[in-house]
Amino acid sequence: GAVVSQHPSRVICKSGTSVKIECRSLDFQATTMFWYRQFPKQSLMLMATSNEGSKATYEQGVEKDKFLINHASLTLSTLTVTSAHPEDSSFYICSAALAYEQYFGPGTRLTVT
Amino acid sequence: GIQVEQSPPDLILQEGANSTLRCNFSDSVNNLQWFHQNPWGQLINLFYIPSGTKQNGRLSATTVATERYSLLYISSSQTTDSGVYFCAVELRRDDKIIFGKGTRLHILP
Repeated sequence: GAVVSQHPSRVICKSGTSVKIECRSLDFQATTMFWYRQFPKQSLMLMATSNEGSKATYEQGVEKDKFLINHASLTLSTLTVTSAHPEDSSFYICSAALAYEQYFGPGTRLTVT
Repeated sequence: GIQVEQSPPDLILQEGANSTLRCNFSDSVNNLQWFHQNPWGQLINLFYIPSGTKQNGRLSATTVATERYSLLYISSSQTTDSGVYFCAVELRRDDKIIFGKGTRLHILP
């Protein structure tokens, strides 16, 4: 149990386009999901907390208009990178909590050309 | 802000060796977890251990919450143990989850 999926696993897009990443809890419901960003050989940095049925809470320095988060149901949160630029290239990981433990998706590697 | 410090940052060991990874944190936490990030980026839950000691095969972990540290022990290392080990804490004051910078472990055959 406690499986979190992400889609797509890898995406390459052109500068200026938008990319949507989906995070699903497959066998449990998650009121709260988290989105992280990881640069090469660095740790995970929390970007935002996604709350089902309400607005996401963004960490300081994260542009909410650039990284749109929608938590439409108890099993799905989406992160949309709008007007992507090469500096947005990164590894994006979501997580969801079940019984106080965090379970992570496999990550999405975004490359903006 | 809260500090989550992991040591050592890098570790190279021969297969079969034992290792201890440390995670220090500077604030009160609700939870602490250890993860292994494999070469493909997937984070694997190792332990949920806000306090006490747990063991799972060759791995064990101990958290002393009152002294704000946790230890991850890996015995009889195998090459598949290579990767980055992260500890992550959930802050008591706002439930946010903060990751340490990780320990990069490389097990030589």
